[in-house]
Amino acid sequence: EIVLTQSPGTLSLSPGERATLSCRASQSVSSSYLAWYQQKPGQAPRLLIYGASSRATGIPDRFSGSGSGTDFTLTISRLEPEDFAVYYCQQYGSSPPSFTFGPGTKVDIK
Amino acid sequence: EVQLVESGGGLVKPGGSLRLSCAASGFTFSSYSMNWVRQAPGKGLEWVSSISSSSSYIYYADSVKGRFTISRDNAKNSLYLQMNSLRAEDTAVYYCARDLLVHFDYWGQGTLVTVSS
Repeated sequence: EIVLTQSPGTLSLSPGERATLSCRASQSVSSSYLAWYQQKPGQAPRLLIYGASSRATGIPDRFSGSGSGTDFTLTISRLEPEDFAVYYCQQYGSSPPSFTFGPGTKVDIK
Repeated sequence: EVQLVESGGGLVKPGGSLRLSCAASGFTFSSYSMNWVRQAPGKGLEWVSSISSSSSYIYYADSVKGRFTISRDNAKNSLYLQMNSLRAEDTAVYYCARDLLVHFDYWGQGTLVTVSS
């Protein structure tokens, strides 16, 4: 079973700053199988990035994803007030089919 | 507009049962795999179960295998989760989510299940 680790646990930044979130897998993950979600308090998660680097519909281009193998990154180029939230990475495992989430990174206002 | 609306949550005693429902609209429900994902209070996300479009393939997380049963009714555009032998650790918000092969593109707002005596 692949385990996802996210770092840092909390990232304290100011609006306008750049945020770099890391997701590390215990084994190599196909880039096609790596996604990122944003969750705000009291809300359902929202898909941001799929296939490691493709933005979901309606997601602003300040969000970008990159990486391969065991190391993946979500970057928010310039934080907007609405971007302060928890971010989860997720991978799909095919044998047997299952989905695993990382523990999350909270981006809060400094 | 894609909408997923969960219902059926509530307070149940340990060992009890509960059936969750998810009503889907705004897309061709019978064409998509569907999932249940849960989130314990203050914790992260945990995938629970998946069902293929025609119910041919069903998968469960080890934590619920043998206790939970996922099902769907394509004629009613509805997804279900029958939860038996509930434990305190099953307390969570349960989300239904549409499966786009390897990730979830739409989520409902969730329904809270509390297991407590």
